[in-house]
Amino acid sequence: TQLLEQSPQFLSIQEGENLTVYCNSSSVFSSLQWYRQEPGEGPVLLVTVVTGGEVKKLKRLTFQFGDARKDSSLHITAAQPGDTGLYLCAGGSNFGNEKLTFGTGTRLTIIP
Amino acid sequence: ETGVTQSPTHLIKTRGQQVTLRCSSQSGHNTVSWYQQALGQGPQFIFQYYREEENGRGNFPPRFSGLQFPNYSSELNVNALELDDSALYLCASSHREPRSSYNSPLHFGNGTRLTVT
Repeated sequence: TQLLEQSPQFLSIQEGENLTVYCNSSSVFSSLQWYRQEPGEGPVLLVTVVTGGEVKKLKRLTFQFGDARKDSSLHITAAQPGDTGLYLCAGGSNFGNEKLTFGTGTRLTIIP
Repeated sequence: ETGVTQSPTHLIKTRGQQVTLRCSSQSGHNTVSWYQQALGQGPQFIFQYYREEENGRGNFPPRFSGLQFPNYSSELNVNALELDDSALYLCASSHREPRSSYNSPLHFGNGTRLTVT
């Protein structure tokens, strides 16, 4: 069974601070996706990384896929209240997204 | 373009009852996946439907079943409801290229919140 563990589970920081969320597994994934989920809504895809060591940037968000494709990190620079939400990583075992294994989630709160 | 829509948004059922949840896929998408998200946890894959057939299943018992219709919409049926079935049920659609294992990224609906008492 493939498992993805995220840390921290909860994070509350002041606006303007930096933060990193981690997503770790003992399994290799062909792709790793990050989603953000707001209360009452479904997850929204932020990024997909597919190559070991790959780094992608989305404005103030930086995503990295581990060299062995077993782990990933999400770094947010100068966090803003709009970044508040549940961040989920998800591993794909096939480029086809047939079955995503989601992590346990990190609930992020940015305090104005 | 029309996004993924799910109905109903909320539902309360009694243990032992049966429930049907519905999902309309995003226009242009031919594949539907269902996920169960318990409170405080990440979504768990239930199954996926492509060309009206089940195409992959997670670790869920047979009382969880589904259908996909010619218009690519889908239903999730759960029989003999248990208290632990209380969760947010998410539907996600994507497009799979014929004769290819590649699926476009998933687009999720806002889910159906099922409460079993």
